[in-house]
Amino acid sequence: NAGVTQTPKFQVLKTGQSMTLQCAQDMNHNSMYWYRQDPGMGLRLIYYSASEGTTDKGEVPNGYNVSRLNKREFSLRLESAAPSQTSVYFCASSSRPRANYGYTFGSGTRLTVV
Amino acid sequence: QQQVKQSPQSLIVQKGGISIINCAYENTAFDYFPWYQQFPGKGPALLIAIRPDVSEKKEGRFTISFNKSAKQFSLHIMDSQPGDSATYFCAASLAVGNEKLTFGTGTRLTIIP
Repeated sequence: NAGVTQTPKFQVLKTGQSMTLQCAQDMNHNSMYWYRQDPGMGLRLIYYSASEGTTDKGEVPNGYNVSRLNKREFSLRLESAAPSQTSVYFCASSSRPRANYGYTFGSGTRLTVV
Repeated sequence: QQQVKQSPQSLIVQKGGISIINCAYENTAFDYFPWYQQFPGKGPALLIAIRPDVSEKKEGRFTISFNKSAKQFSLHIMDSQPGDSATYFCAASLAVGNEKLTFGTGTRLTIIP
């Protein structure tokens, strides 16, 4: 089982460019999440999808959009990249109803905006 | 706002020693407190978790101690090994409805020989 797969693993963007980070899970999980990880700031929630067809903002949603394409896939889009969005992005999934089933994280996308 | 505060930011422990990482939370509605372990280049992975109805949970060399009145919980790693060198995150989630995890800022643990 692959678990949570993120693509790409690395990306360099110029300021103002757009891109979509892809995430797919094969565990039949209902809930999916996008986090960003920055030094000294831990993991901060960008957006999440409690179930297929629903999405909600997290702690730091500005500059991002998401799409829950189906139960397996949850993408994160940067419409106009800014240097402040340089970060490592993690996708995660979990089964309902509670977080105490544990999150399964992907291996991350390291994004640099120049 | 920081709802889960974690300390220290970094920690160096000798092999065989005890590593202790502390977290404090503000929201008394939190009722699930996991610890995640992250190795370089990898995503975090669930290590151990506790509910507030118990004061301690032990899994092998890893123990969570929970103090509900002080709103604090800590991770103890006994007989620390070089393979334990990683970044550790504490987290918390609410009891009802919102199941999202709120993470601490992380502790980089280094175990030296």
